[in-house]
Amino acid sequence: AQSVTQLGSHVSVSEGALVLLRCNYSSSVPPYLFWYVQYPNQGLQLLLKYTSAATLVKGINGFEAEFKKSETSFHLTKPSAHMSDAAEYFCAVSGNAGKSTFGDGTTLTVKP
Amino acid sequence: NAGVTQTPKFRVLKTGQSMTLLCAQDMNHEYMYWYRQDPGMGLRLIHYSVGEGTTAKGEVPDGYNVSRLKKQNFLLGLESAAPSQTSVYFCASSQPGLANNEQFFGPGTRLTVL
Repeated sequence: AQSVTQLGSHVSVSEGALVLLRCNYSSSVPPYLFWYVQYPNQGLQLLLKYTSAATLVKGINGFEAEFKKSETSFHLTKPSAHMSDAAEYFCAVSGNAGKSTFGDGTTLTVKP
Repeated sequence: NAGVTQTPKFRVLKTGQSMTLLCAQDMNHEYMYWYRQDPGMGLRLIHYSVGEGTTAKGEVPDGYNVSRLKKQNFLLGLESAAPSQTSVYFCASSQPGLANNEQFFGPGTRLTVL
């Protein structure tokens, strides 16, 4: 069985501050891990994915995530938040038949 | 390429009515999925398909049926809608062995059941 836990349903940062969104996973097999972003009234868009080639993964819009097997974590970071980063973010783990299990999501608010 | 498309975008039903949501993908993906999204609950898998003519139950299948008669289409049916099925429905597709099973999502269908 696989599962994802996103710590913190709401995160608020000031513009220019560090963004840190936390994700812990459990998986019985080497996981495929993803971060998706959802803007209001839109579908999910892939931010980045863990391919096992490198533990530090760079994605779009300046986001990156680090895979830490010992901590079963895949936290999402961005050095400097922008107003346009305000959205909901989902961590997901993929396993059998490509089925993905999603976390409950973290809503990021960026204050001016 | 249009990617994954969903019709309709919005729908309002009365309790007991039926409807079908259509998902289409033009990427020749083998796998397709239907999710529902409710506030604070992330995405929950309703049904999925690993190929034309095959379907399987996901996490929350009750009250829904699906069909995959053509590889590019995946239909989600509600036979007798209930207010608890008010939600946003997302379709997704993926190709096994490609891009680490990355899923590609449609824009969603917002369904309200009165």
